[in-house]
Amino acid sequence: AQSVAQPEDQVNVAEGNPLTVKCTYSVSGNPYLFWYVQYPNRGLQFLLKYITGDNLVKGSYGFEAEFNKSQTSFHLKKPSALVSDSALYFCAVRDMNTGFQKLVFGTGTRLLVSP
Amino acid sequence: NAGVTQTPKFQVLKTGQSMTLQCAQDMNHNSMYWYRQDPGMGLRLIYYSASEGTTDKGEVPNGYNVSRLNKREFSLRLESAAPSQTSVYFCASSETAQMGNQPQHFGDGTRLSIL
Repeated sequence: AQSVAQPEDQVNVAEGNPLTVKCTYSVSGNPYLFWYVQYPNRGLQFLLKYITGDNLVKGSYGFEAEFNKSQTSFHLKKPSALVSDSALYFCAVRDMNTGFQKLVFGTGTRLLVSP
Repeated sequence: NAGVTQTPKFQVLKTGQSMTLQCAQDMNHNSMYWYRQDPGMGLRLIYYSASEGTTDKGEVPNGYNVSRLNKREFSLRLESAAPSQTSVYFCASSETAQMGNQPQHFGDGTRLSIL
C-alpha cells in the first residue's frame, strides 16, 4: 500500500535560518508527490508537486522540495524561514492502486518559526 | 475567487441526529472529495467523485453517504451521528482525478462535534 511518513511532529527554527520538513514515501512504481500547507482554521493549500523530471521542485512562497529516489524521500526546504511560515505541513502521495487521484496524506509536521 | 465553499463552518449535533454538509466549487472541476481530519492522523478520504454522476468509497466511508448533485456540488450526509464522527471535514476538488497529477483545492472545513 502507498504511504508517506513524516517523522517529526514539530520542527522549530529561528527566523532567517534554513528549514527542512522531512517526508519519506513507500509506493509501487513512480511516485506522484505533493506538499500542502495548512494555516489555523483554514483548508490545505497546495505548495508544490513532483511528477517527473528535475529532482528539485520549486513551489509557492519560496519553498522547494528535493526528490531523492534512492532514499525514497521528498523533503520540503526553504533557504530562509519567516515567522509567517509557521503552519502545519502535509506530505502526500498519489494512491497508485487506482487510476484516480486519491491522495494518501502523512500525519503532518507543525513548523514553528521563532522571531 | 471563492474556490471551494463549505457550509456550515461549525455544527454541534446530538448522537443519532442527521445532517448534511454542503460543498460547492466554482472552478469547473470534474473531481471532488470529502476528507476528515483528526489529530495525529492526517487527512483520510471518506468518499470521492471522479466526475459528475459517479461516487466511490474512500478509506473511511462507514456512517456516511454522499451525493454529487451536479458538477459544482458534492454533499456529505451523516444519517445517524456518532461521537466517533466528531472531526473537521474538508471538501476538495481537482480538474480531473484520472491523471493523478493535478493539485487538489480545499475548502476551509466544517468543524463538527457530536455530543
